Amino acid sequence: QSALTQEASVSGTVGQKVTLSCTGNSNNIGRYAVGWYQQISHGAPKTVMFGNSLPSGIPDRFSGSKSGTTASLTISGLQPEDEGDYYCSAWDYSLGYVFGTGTKVTVL
Amino acid sequence: EVQLVESGGGLVQPGGSLRLSCAASGFTFSRYWMSWVRQAPGQGPEWVANIKQDGSEKYYVDSVKGRFTISRDNAKNSLYLQMNSLRAEDTAVYYCARDGETSGWLLPDYWGQGILVTVSS
Repeated sequence: QSALTQEASVSGTVGQKVTLSCTGNSNNIGRYAVGWYQQISHGAPKTVMFGNSLPSGIPDRFSGSKSGTTASLTISGLQPEDEGDYYCSAWDYSLGYVFGTGTKVTVL
Repeated sequence: EVQLVESGGGLVQPGGSLRLSCAASGFTFSRYWMSWVRQAPGQGPEWVANIKQDGSEKYYVDSVKGRFTISRDNAKNSLYLQMNSLRAEDTAVYYCARDGETSGWLLPDYWGQGILVTVSS
């Protein structure tokens, strides 16, 4: 059972802005930094947001934020290559790293 | 360029053992915490264990405590996962990941390509 909750799916057209959410609690998101990971066609995860930082090589249409125990990943200007599964993660005081349930992003 | 390459996976019978290795390159291995993360078929990622730079601290998910052991050899730029008493539910792709630091906290930032472990009779 995942400790972090994400919406199952989000869809949008090319160029649209979409926002993914990740809800945790005071033991994880409320205390620690949040990472976001993209997984395309069941390949290896790729980091698209690392705390408040955009990793090298990730387009600046990706941005992240956090408020209390909820984190968000926004894709401004959705592109076909953004289609895939997205997972959030944070350290949990009791459980170690925890991951979200995952959101499937579909580009219509 | 950061590279993490896992090896040692395969098919093993329930109750058996397997040792995974991860060869790291492109960064100063001894300066980073390292993690193992697994992903069962059709599921999301699950963190398995991580280890401090000098090996003095190790943490495990409850489901593998007492069965799995994480270790590292900084001279060889290598990370290991010794898996004993394997169960069917350990079947997954296992990823080696570097724990990077952001705003004072750790998170996986680079991932290997993964290696499949199948536990079945």
